[in-house]
Amino acid sequence: EDKVVQSPLSLVVHEGDTVTLNCSYEVTNFRSLLWYKQEKKAPTFLFMLTSSGIEKKSGRLSSILDKKELFSILNITATQTGDSAIYLCAVDNGGATNKLIFGTGTLLAVQP
Amino acid sequence: NAGVTQTPKFRILKIGQSMTLQCTQDMNHNYMYWYRQDPGMGLKLIYYSVGAGITDKGEVPNGYNVSRSTTEDFPLRLELAAPSQTSVYFCASSMTSGGVGTQYFGPGTRLLVL
Repeated sequence: EDKVVQSPLSLVVHEGDTVTLNCSYEVTNFRSLLWYKQEKKAPTFLFMLTSSGIEKKSGRLSSILDKKELFSILNITATQTGDSAIYLCAVDNGGATNKLIFGTGTLLAVQP
Repeated sequence: NAGVTQTPKFRILKIGQSMTLQCTQDMNHNYMYWYRQDPGMGLKLIYYSVGAGITDKGEVPNGYNVSRSTTEDFPLRLELAAPSQTSVYFCASSMTSGGVGTQYFGPGTRLLVL
């Protein structure tokens, strides 16, 4: 059975800290791994990773994929209270339909 | 360009009632999806569609039905609401046909079945 596992389930840090969120996966076919940020409503897209070892970066957020070890990490440096959210990892397991398998998410709380 | 829109935002149903959750996208995306998200859980795929007239079951389809008569609209129907269907429902769409694509999400519908 295909699955995506995220850790930790929740994390509380102080502003300015650096955090690393983990996502491991087991799927029969792999096409891409996606990270989403979910605040109060809909998930919003952060990164899509398809190749190992190539870091994607957007401001204080960065992510990298290791297809050999079947995991990805999402780093957030100099955290701010606005980074507080649930971070979802999802894997596109191939096929013609772009179906995504989601992990349960990591709840990040950044305290002032 | 409104993206993916969903109505209603919030609804309370009694057990056994029926309702339709509406989803519309104006990005001309072929692929559309319905997910449910229970507290502390990830998103579970209910149904998806790869184009007008074509739908298929996802991971948790029981108790739901869908139709796709146009590219823009993908309504989700609950025929006999049950407390287990209390959840937040997200509709999403994506563009690519078989390639790597990003799903864009609507704002969600929060459903409470009492």
